[in-house]
Amino acid sequence: GAGVSQSPSNKVTEKGKDVELRCDPISGHTALYWYRQRLGQGLEFLIYFQGNSAPDKSGLPSDRFSAERTGESVSTLTIQRTQQEDSAVYLCASSLVYSMNTEAFFGQGTRLTVV
Amino acid sequence: QKEVEQNSGPLSVPEGAIASLNCTYSDRGSQSFFWYRQYSGKSPELIMSIYSNGDKEDGRFTAQLNKASQYVSLLIRDSQPSDSATYLCAVNQMDSNYQLIWGAGTKLIIKP
Repeated sequence: GAGVSQSPSNKVTEKGKDVELRCDPISGHTALYWYRQRLGQGLEFLIYFQGNSAPDKSGLPSDRFSAERTGESVSTLTIQRTQQEDSAVYLCASSLVYSMNTEAFFGQGTRLTVV
Repeated sequence: QKEVEQNSGPLSVPEGAIASLNCTYSDRGSQSFFWYRQYSGKSPELIMSIYSNGDKEDGRFTAQLNKASQYVSLLIRDSQPSDSATYLCAVNQMDSNYQLIWGAGTKLIIKP
């Protein structure tokens, strides 16, 4: 696609429910990144993918968070048993390759509100 | 701990003046440096990247890198109200497996 696409753009969920956030990267981009941004805060790195592999999952906040990527394309970030502190904007970015000089491009984000 | 530091601001600059945004980083192994602009409620968008010491110009924007002093700056000439946004500095560090390390951002306000 022309840009990184995320869905849904907004999600309101009840505490304790599971949610799935989706990211469609730019076509041909092999690297994909998930970030979390709380209101008025900076970017918090969650996880990245090289192809379909996630070499480092240490950025995930807890074991309630998981992510997968298939076909070197779409990625889903799943949050189980959501808590109010999970409320934030979840941003996905992609880059052509995962390397030193690569430039990352962001989707519009999913605003998650846990009530 | 590897860090990227930015003054949170807000930095207020009159329209038409030069806005100067600064970023310092702790890891001397840093190789690539990026400036992103984020409007309120929107996602970050890439403005400039810089990889070698010196200046890099793109339109009204100039990125400056000084690896010896471990800082990177962004100059915006002829500032416009539409430049009002939060500017994020990101640094790619080789020994962090190329992971981007982000500053918290500087809020820039251009006053008409």
